[in-house]
Amino acid sequence: NAGVTQTPKFQVLKTGQSMTLQCAQDMNHEYMSWYRQDPGMGLRLIHYSVGAGITDQGEVPNGYNVSRSTTEDFPLRLLSAAPSQTSVYFCASRAGGRYGYTFGSGTRLTVV
Amino acid sequence: AQTVTQSQPEMSVQEAETVTLSCTYDTSESDYYLFWYKQPPSRQMILVIRQEAYKQQNATENRFSVNFQKAAKSFSLKISDSQLGDAAMYFCAYRSAFLNYGGATNKLIFGTGTLLAVQP
Repeated sequence: NAGVTQTPKFQVLKTGQSMTLQCAQDMNHEYMSWYRQDPGMGLRLIHYSVGAGITDQGEVPNGYNVSRSTTEDFPLRLLSAAPSQTSVYFCASRAGGRYGYTFGSGTRLTVV
Repeated sequence: AQTVTQSQPEMSVQEAETVTLSCTYDTSESDYYLFWYKQPPSRQMILVIRQEAYKQQNATENRFSVNFQKAAKSFSLKISDSQLGDAAMYFCAYRSAFLNYGGATNKLIFGTGTLLAVQP
């Protein structure tokens, strides 16, 4: 069982560069989300999706784009990286109803 | 808006002893889910236990149990027979159970975490 797979695990970007963080799940989950984790702040929701073709903004969406063309994949795009986007990024998915989210192993992103 | 508060930034427990991590939350909703997640140094977020607000019985998963006090909006995690592998950051999280246009049911609201050290 692969669960939720995130790539890459580590990335260093220069300010202004763009990149895509990949997320894939093999559990046929409807719901997928992207969170960022910063020291002392817990995890905060960036974007989420309730199914293929349907996405919406979370708590801290600025500077990020998402799309969901398939049930399995939910990539997160950084349009023009800024040092404030230095963080650990988690992708998560869940089935409908009362289930908890399953998280990927995270991507540590540093913007210099 | 809902909030989750973990007032203990760090805790320590001796191996084989019992420890309780505190979590309080604020909400005006009557139906919701509460979770405890464990994050070891590997960074992986692992679901430890889940509680449904409408269930009065406290959830239990092996050595992990919760004390859910709905009226007091309290959701503590008890770890019995602590093991070295329990050392990790523990996060309490809330999720609404109501479907709404704002997507609140899709959002996990996290506390700031409690770092648990286990002493041999």
